[in-house]
Amino acid sequence: NAGVTQTPKFRILKIGQSMTLQCTQDMNHNYMYWYRQDPGMGLKLIYYSVGAGITDKGEVPNGYNVSRSTTEDFPLRLELAAPSQTSVYFCASSLVLDTNYGYTFGSGTRLTVV
Amino acid sequence: AQSVSQHNHHVILSEAASLELGCNYSYGGTVNLFWYVQYPGQHLQLLLKYFSGDPLVKGIKGFEAEFIKSKFSFNLRKPSVQWSDTAEYFCAVNPSLTGNTPLVFGKGTRLSVIA
Repeated sequence: NAGVTQTPKFRILKIGQSMTLQCTQDMNHNYMYWYRQDPGMGLKLIYYSVGAGITDKGEVPNGYNVSRSTTEDFPLRLELAAPSQTSVYFCASSLVLDTNYGYTFGSGTRLTVV
Repeated sequence: AQSVSQHNHHVILSEAASLELGCNYSYGGTVNLFWYVQYPGQHLQLLLKYFSGDPLVKGIKGFEAEFIKSKFSFNLRKPSVQWSDTAEYFCAVNPSLTGNTPLVFGKGTRLSVIA
C-alpha cells in the first residue's frame, strides 16, 4: 500500500516554463488536496477535489490549474512559472466526509523557479 | 473564515524539558482538531486528533493535547522531550458538521531539542 505518491521530488524551472506535479493515491480516497508550504507560513490550500470531475479553489489558486479525471490522480499544473511559486508542494487525500483519521500526505515536491 | 494561530514560531528546549505548544482557532462551532508533525526532510504525519469525547487526547510518541472549548485552544504537550522530537509542528482545524471542508493549518512551530 503506497499511500500518496508525488513526482517529481525536486524540480528547477525557468521563469515562464510549465510543468505538472503528479499525485496519485491507492487508498480509494475521494478527497484530494494540494497545499504549498513556505517557510514560516505553514500550509496554504491551492486546490482540492471532492471526487472525480469535481475541483474547487483553495486559498491561493492563482497561477495553478488542476484536473481530476480519476479517483486516483490529482495533478497540479503550473502554466507560466514565476519565482513566487518557488515552494514545497504537498498532495494529500482523505476519506469521504470523514476527517477523523486526518489526511495522508505525500512526500512533497520541492520546486525552484529561477 | 477560520484561522489557526500558533503562538510560538521557534522553541528551543533541552532534552528532558517539558513542552507545551499553543494553538488557538477562530471557529465558533464544533470542530475537529489535529496536530501534525513534520520531521526534517519528511512529509507531515498525524500526531493526534480530537473530534469528540475526552478533551485530553493522547497521540504517538508520548504527546498529548487538551481541548479547552471555552478558550478555543488545543495545546500540545509532552512531559519530557527527546532530541528526536526536533521537528516542525502544525495545528489544524476544520468544522465537523459541514462536511469534508479542507483543513486549515497554522503557520507551524519549529521545535529544536538540544542535548
